[in-house]
Amino acid sequence: GQQVMQIPQYQHVQEGEDFTTYCNSSTTLSNIQWYKQRPGGHPVFLIQLVKSGEVKKQKRLTFQFGEAKKNSSLHITATQTTDVGTYFCAGGDSNYQLIWGAGTKLIIKP
Amino acid sequence: DGGITQSPKYLFRKEGQNVTLSCEQNLNHDAMYWYRQDPGQGLRLIYYSQIVNDFQKGDIAEGYSVSREKKESFPLTVTSAQKNPTAFYLCASSSVYSSYNEQFFGPGTRLTVL
Repeated sequence: GQQVMQIPQYQHVQEGEDFTTYCNSSTTLSNIQWYKQRPGGHPVFLIQLVKSGEVKKQKRLTFQFGEAKKNSSLHITATQTTDVGTYFCAGGDSNYQLIWGAGTKLIIKP
Repeated sequence: DGGITQSPKYLFRKEGQNVTLSCEQNLNHDAMYWYRQDPGQGLRLIYYSQIVNDFQKGDIAEGYSVSREKKESFPLTVTSAQKNPTAFYLCASSSVYSSYNEQFFGPGTRLTVL
């Protein structure tokens, strides 16, 4: 079946360092969505990418969708304590279902 | 305010008992979903429904049942057949008509089976 692999599982950074998480799909996706889940909370939608090669920015966050629409990345510049949480990618298929990655947990070192 | 509500936030049950988790939305969304999340893990789809009186099994439906009698409501029953029911359960909804089919999540129910 369709799978979306997300790496790394965890990333420890010092505050102010950058953070990146990557997703790869076994099949071509119709779109890719990114969500953030704060500790103890529920996933919250961040953004959706639809077009091949699309790049979108939200302040310090940069989202990319690959040319083949099989991979995506989220890059956070100069992390802050408010960025702590788990970031999930989710690939959209033609039946309005989402295929979820396992998530990358961002941990800020004290 | 529009949104999704789940109740209760925390639920404790004895092994062998069925338990029903509530999920209500007032976003006028057609599609609703139930996910299970285990500690440090991603989301696994239990059931989903795209229209009233119809629902489909997800990846881990065994030991669970749902109903969709109203557009606003999608309750999940965790039966005694579910071998490891202790988990965080998340309900979500989305519009099937929007080009952005993002899912909106409720706050979740943490179920502990003793």
